Order: sequence, then structure tokens, then C-alpha cells
Amino acid sequence: AQSVTQLDSQVPVFEEAPVELRCNYSSSVSVYLFWYVQYPNQGLQLLLKYLSGSTLVESINGFEAEFNKSQTSFHLRKPSVHISDTAEYFCAVSETGNDYKLSFGAGTTVTVRA
Amino acid sequence: EPEVTQTPSHQVTQMGQEVILRCVPISNHLYFYWYRQILGQKVEFLVSFYNNEISEKSEIFDDQFSVERPDGSNFTLKIRSTKLEDSAMYFCASNPPGYNSPLHFGNGTRLTVT
Repeated sequence: AQSVTQLDSQVPVFEEAPVELRCNYSSSVSVYLFWYVQYPNQGLQLLLKYLSGSTLVESINGFEAEFNKSQTSFHLRKPSVHISDTAEYFCAVSETGNDYKLSFGAGTTVTVRA
Repeated sequence: EPEVTQTPSHQVTQMGQEVILRCVPISNHLYFYWYRQILGQKVEFLVSFYNNEISEKSEIFDDQFSVERPDGSNFTLKIRSTKLEDSAMYFCASNPPGYNSPLHFGNGTRLTVT
């Protein structure tokens, strides 16, 4: 079985400042890694994913995450946040070959202030 | 862009009553899922459904729960006799055939059992 730990439950940040959301996982097998975002009153949306290949993955709205196998981490970063990035962010992991069965972290609420 | 839609957005029911949560997955998707999030806890996998049968279910998905695809478009989750601890946000998800196809989540149904 796999599990995910998101170390920060709340992250307040000022607009245009950088942000990093930490995610660590544990698993006895190879995994896929995901970040989902939930904007207020909306569903979970896939932000980015790591399946294989380059350990640095990027989203279309400026987020990036790096898979670090030795540290079993998949931290999410953005160099400059906008007010519209205010949301809850979930890190998730699945076993390779079983990628629909996601194990989620508890979530990190990012609040961007002007 | 096609979306997974869930109805109702909020359902209040009395303990012991039956509830049916409804989902309309994206039309060309073949795999369907239910996840839930109890307030303050992690999003948890409940069940996966393919080809008109359950392909996998979690420990949470006991005999009180059932899923059905009654027609070509709807995917339902039924809780036969609700308990207070069933209060949660229930997310429906679907994905198309194909390797590593991402899950598309609905906006969720908040179930409150009183």
C-alpha cells in the first residue's frame, strides 16, 4: 500500500511571491505521482503528473513538480503566484499499472493575498 | 470541454434513509469511479466500475453501498441505510480507455446525514 504526506495544511502567500508545497510518499512498489487542484466550489482537476521519463514536470499555468526518488518526494512549486491560484492542492500517488486507484494527501490550502 | 457532472450538489438525509448520488461521466469514457472525502480527512477511493461491473472496491465499500449504470449515461452510488459517518463529499470520476488516461472528477455531492 502507498501513502502520501503533505506537510503543510495551510500556506498563505503574497501575490507574485514564490510558493512550494511539499509532498512525500511511501510505497513498496513503483508509483505514479499527481498533483490535483480544487478551486472553491469546483471538482478536482489534474494539475500535473509524473509517470516516467524526465523527473521535472510542468503544468500549463506555471506550476512545476520534481520527482525525487531518493527522497520520495514530489514537491510542487510556482515562482510567482496569482490571486487566482488560491485553491486547495492535493498530492496523490498510485501504483504503476493501477493508476486509477489514487491515494491522496490531506491537501494544502493556498491563500494568495494582494 | 466535456465535464463529469454530479447531482445534487448537496443532499441532506436522515439516518437510516436510502440515498442515491448521481453522476454523468464524460460520454466516451468507459471507466467510472467513486471517491469520498470526509470533512477534514483525505480523499479516499471507494470503487471502480467497468463493463457494467465492479472491478475493484475498497474496505469502505461495504454491503450498504452499491453502484449502477442504469442507462448509457448515468452512474449512480446508492447508500442503502445511511449512517452519520457517511456524511462526506462524494466525488465521481471517469476516464477513457488508454494507458495512463487521467481521471476527470466531478464537482462532488456533499452528503449530510442528520
